[in-house]
Amino acid sequence: QVQLQESGPGLVKPSGTLSLTCAVSGDSISSTNWWSWVRQAPNKGLEWIGEVYHSGSSRFNPSLKSRLTISIDKSKNQFSLKLTSVTAADTAVYYCARVHRIDLWLLFDYWGQGAPVTVSS
Amino acid sequence: IQLTQSPSSLSASVGDRVTITCRASQGISSYLAWYQQKPGKAPKLLIYAASTLQSGVPSRFSGSGSGTAFTLTISSLQPEDFATYYCQQLNIYPLTFGGGTKVEIK
Repeated sequence: QVQLQESGPGLVKPSGTLSLTCAVSGDSISSTNWWSWVRQAPNKGLEWIGEVYHSGSSRFNPSLKSRLTISIDKSKNQFSLKLTSVTAADTAVYYCARVHRIDLWLLFDYWGQGAPVTVSS
Repeated sequence: IQLTQSPSSLSASVGDRVTITCRASQGISSYLAWYQQKPGKAPKLLIYAASTLQSGVPSRFSGSGSGTAFTLTISSLQPEDFATYYCQQLNIYPLTFGGGTKVEIK
C-alpha cells in the first residue's frame, strides 16, 4: 500500500522559507511516477504547486515559480518543497501526492494527510 | 486553463440523483479527473480520463464529457457522499482545479 507523509514546521515567519518533506512508502521515488505538491488555503479550493521526477526534472506553477524549489532525495525515498519569501497568502494545508500514469492518463492517486502551515510573526 | 464548476453548492437528500458540471476555458480532450474531499481530509480520486472509475470507488459515481464540458453524477446519494467535489484538468500545465461543489444534506 502506497503511503505519503508530510512533515515540517507548522509556523513560518513572514519573509521566511517554508520547508516541507514528503516521505514515501510502498513505492520507490525512482519509479515512473511524478511526485507533486498541492495546497489549500483556509476555506478555499485546491492549488497545484508543482511536481518533480526522479531524474530531477520539475514543473512549477508559474504563480510560484520564482520562489519555489522541489527536490528529490533518493536515499531517503522522499521529496521536498521549499517556498521562499512567504507571506500570509501562503498559509494553507500542503498536500503531497503521487502522480501516476495509466496509458495516456495522469492521475493523482495517493495523497498525504496534509500539513497545515501558518505564516505569521 | 480555467475550470468552472456549477453549482458551487447544492442541497440534496439521501437517494437523490446529483449532477455536478465542470466547464473548461479551452478544450482538454478527456484529461479530466474528479476528486471527493471531506472536511479535514485529503482529496480522494474518484474518476480519471473523464469517465474511468478509480479502483474501489462505488459504481454510483460516474463521469462523462470531453472537450470543454464534463459532468460528475452520483446516481443515488448516500450519507457518506456529503462532501466537496473538485474537477482537475491534466491536459496542459499548470494543472488546475475547479472551485469545488459542496454537497450538503437537505
